[in-house]
Amino acid sequence: GQQVMQIPQYQHVQEGEDFTTYCNSSTTLSNIQWYKQRPGGHPVFLIQLVKSGEVKKQKRLTFQFGEAKKNSSLHITATQTTDVGTYFCAVTGGGNKLTFGTGTQLKVEL
Amino acid sequence: EAQVTQNPRYLITVTGKKLTVTCSQNMNHEYMSWYRQDPGLGLRQIYYSMNVEVTDKGDVPEGYKVSRKEKRNFPLILESPSPNQTSLYFCASSFFGPQGGYGYTFGSGTRLTVV
Repeated sequence: GQQVMQIPQYQHVQEGEDFTTYCNSSTTLSNIQWYKQRPGGHPVFLIQLVKSGEVKKQKRLTFQFGEAKKNSSLHITATQTTDVGTYFCAVTGGGNKLTFGTGTQLKVEL
Repeated sequence: EAQVTQNPRYLITVTGKKLTVTCSQNMNHEYMSWYRQDPGLGLRQIYYSMNVEVTDKGDVPEGYKVSRKEKRNFPLILESPSPNQTSLYFCASSFFGPQGGYGYTFGSGTRLTVV
């Protein structure tokens, strides 16, 4: 099935520092979704990217889809403790499967 | 409130004892899916359903069954649970599935332990 690599696996930052997580695929993607899962919680949909080179912003979060539609990134500016959690990308595979990356766990220290 | 409801939230059972985890959504979503989440492996899709009476295998379907007799319900059945099915399970739903442009709404999860 469709596979996507997500890096890094873990990231510790000081509050106020920036954070970026990356998803990479060996094949061209039709779209990519991003989710956030707080500790002990369930994944929550953040956004979907569809167009080549697309950039979308949600407050301090910036989502980018690569020109070749094989990679994507999520960047958080000036992290806050409320940003703690695991961030997943998810891509569409054959037969309407939605395959998730392994996630990046973000910890924010005061 | 629009939501996906899973029950139970926690379950401890013994090997071989059949169990069902229920999932219900009130958003009239066509697409429903089950995932399991294990440390280091992320979320892996078990089964999904595009609509009533239409189900398909995900990436890890072995040992699981599903049914979609009504649009709102999508139960996950473990006929003979084994310890390697100890995991955190999530049900999710959306309009039209991953190609439809809508994100998934997830339930709160069911933590299953098989001893």
